[in-house]
Amino acid sequence: DAGVIQSPRHEVTEMGQEVTLRCKPISGHNSLFWYRQTMMRGLELLIYFNNNVPIDDSGMPEDRFSAKMPNASFSTLKIQPSEPRDSAVYFCASSPVAGIYEQFFGPGTRLTVL
Amino acid sequence: QKEVEQNSGPLSVPEGAIASLNCTYSDRGSQSFFWYRQYSGKSPELIMFIYSNGDKEDGRFTAQLNKASQYVSLLIRDSQPSDSATYLCAVVYNTDKLIFGTGTRLQVFP
Repeated sequence: DAGVIQSPRHEVTEMGQEVTLRCKPISGHNSLFWYRQTMMRGLELLIYFNNNVPIDDSGMPEDRFSAKMPNASFSTLKIQPSEPRDSAVYFCASSPVAGIYEQFFGPGTRLTVL
Repeated sequence: QKEVEQNSGPLSVPEGAIASLNCTYSDRGSQSFFWYRQYSGKSPELIMFIYSNGDKEDGRFTAQLNKASQYVSLLIRDSQPSDSATYLCAVVYNTDKLIFGTGTRLQVFP
């Protein structure tokens, strides 16, 4: 199994630009999670999906952030417009069943907004 | 109030010693608890999970859960330099989402 795949691995952009992060979960996993990790705040859950449906987006910081899961094998996290305070490592994780089984994390996308 | 609390460390232990990592949580209804290890620059990986009060052992790792005290711990016996990493405690909140602590950095010196 290839594990959770994320792209790009690194992204450097300028303030105001649109950023799109991509994730392919492990085949057969029904739950997908987007996290953001910073030194100050640790690992924060942004949004999660069950069977492609957004269940809880209470962690999304503001309207500049949006996430979609058009099918079981693909999800995107978009930031528009980006700001320097969005600089962080963004992880995607998937799980067979939310809350019961472990979550498998992708390698992360390191985002730097200048 | 943070929902999952961990001492940020660093916790420094000599090689061969027992490392004890602690975590407290606020949601009394939580039923599932996880310990993840994260090496610098890498993604978190699961090392232990525990659902019931008491101890659960897996090789050199032992997870301990006390629901009455809302306390979870991870013991690492015979610590090795390769155990040096940040250990994240995670608690299932509202039955379906994981809330992570900010992690404890462990340093094992030869």
